[in-house]
Amino acid sequence: GDSVTQMEGPVTLSEEAFLTINCTYTATGYPSLFWYVQYPGEGLQLLLKATKADDKGSNKGFEATYRKETTSFHLEKGSVQVSDSAVYFCARSHSGYSTLTFGKGTMLLVSP
Amino acid sequence: EPEVTQTPSHQVTQMGQEVILRCVPISNHLYFYWYRQILGQKVEFLVSFYNNEISEKSEIFDDQFSVERPDGSNFTLKIRSTKLEDSAMYFCASSERDGAAEQFFGPGTRLTVL
Repeated sequence: GDSVTQMEGPVTLSEEAFLTINCTYTATGYPSLFWYVQYPGEGLQLLLKATKADDKGSNKGFEATYRKETTSFHLEKGSVQVSDSAVYFCARSHSGYSTLTFGKGTMLLVSP
Repeated sequence: EPEVTQTPSHQVTQMGQEVILRCVPISNHLYFYWYRQILGQKVEFLVSFYNNEISEKSEIFDDQFSVERPDGSNFTLKIRSTKLEDSAMYFCASSERDGAAEQFFGPGTRLTVL
């Protein structure tokens, strides 16, 4: 079935470091791809999305490119801040439906 | 800014008891969802709801589960006879439309079954 795999955490970085969180998905159908973020004590918030191959989603300095050839949607940010500390979830939709399949989540911890 | 709210934030219950988790979706949204996350595991889809009926459900959503929109604002998930393995964080979400529309999530209800 459809699945999403993302790198294990926690990822610990110093402020201003470069961030990559890897995400790969099963290549069935024509999914849309998402990154959600969960700050402590809050719900999941959509960070960015891409709906077709080669699309790049971006928001708040984060970027991810929909790579069909490698079935990947890696999240990147050039310079992380302490306030970026959160859990990041990669997700895909099913073709024609809005049901989301999530990865396990990756905790990011950024220290000053 | 409109948001999805959920109550209670934490529910503790005895095995075999019924629980009702409540959600208030964003007012102009038409599609509603429940997901759950067992500690340390993936966020899993349970059910989607549109036009007062279930539009899709997962294998997890068996006869012990039901959903309802009892009035114009609330969206509830009922677990009829809780099991230990139902302990999880339950997230409600809503969206304006289907497809790749953004789903807005609530903060979750942590259910602990003893």
